[in-house]
Amino acid sequence: DIQLTQSPSSLSASVGDRVTISCRASQTIIKYLNWYQQKPGKAPKLLIFHVSNLISGVPSRFSGSGSGTDFTLTITSLQPDDFASYYCQQSFTTPLTFGGGTNVEVK
Amino acid sequence: QVQLQESGPGLVRPSQTLSLTCTVSGSSVSTEKYYWTWIRQPPGKALEWLGYIYHRGSAYYNPSLGSRVAISVDTSRNQFSLILNSMTAADTALYFCVTQDSDTYFFDSWGQGTPVTVSS
Repeated sequence: DIQLTQSPSSLSASVGDRVTISCRASQTIIKYLNWYQQKPGKAPKLLIFHVSNLISGVPSRFSGSGSGTDFTLTITSLQPDDFASYYCQQSFTTPLTFGGGTNVEVK
Repeated sequence: QVQLQESGPGLVRPSQTLSLTCTVSGSSVSTEKYYWTWIRQPPGKALEWLGYIYHRGSAYYNPSLGSRVAISVDTSRNQFSLILNSMTAADTALYFCVTQDSDTYFFDSWGQGTPVTVSS
């Protein structure tokens, strides 16, 4: 199975901060890396697919980058609605796997 | 946008079988666009992909579940279902039914999730 390691597991930030979340794969997944946002008690919401493709309606302050085994989700100016957990997911091969998550909390 | 709604028991006894159903609206389970997928999330933990079934009826499962898992589809009711045998406390989780895009393998529509507790 492809393991996805996210870092940090949690972070504290303020509105307006730039936030960066890392996702590292145990083997190359080329470009097949997706990002989700999840709020407590809710289903995850797809933000970005295949590294950097923003889903329609997702604010442009969200962006993704990377290739191979190292990937990054960046929020350029954190907004109140962005405090949530974020998960990466590889769609390169089955079993499809998720990272352990990053919880973005209010500082 | 596809709407998904899970249904099933909230409490299952250890060693018993879990059966969950997902009712689909806004799409047909016979479409080639989606794979019909189950994902779970234990309390405070990360997401785990359980498996999917697609329009031809073929299913793929997470090997971590061994032979305990089965997913089926009912085209007459526009539903798909999850069976998980030999339940233990480790199977306690929020279970989501999800659409998996057949081209990109991302998960784009999710049910609200149904909590399942394994306890005697």
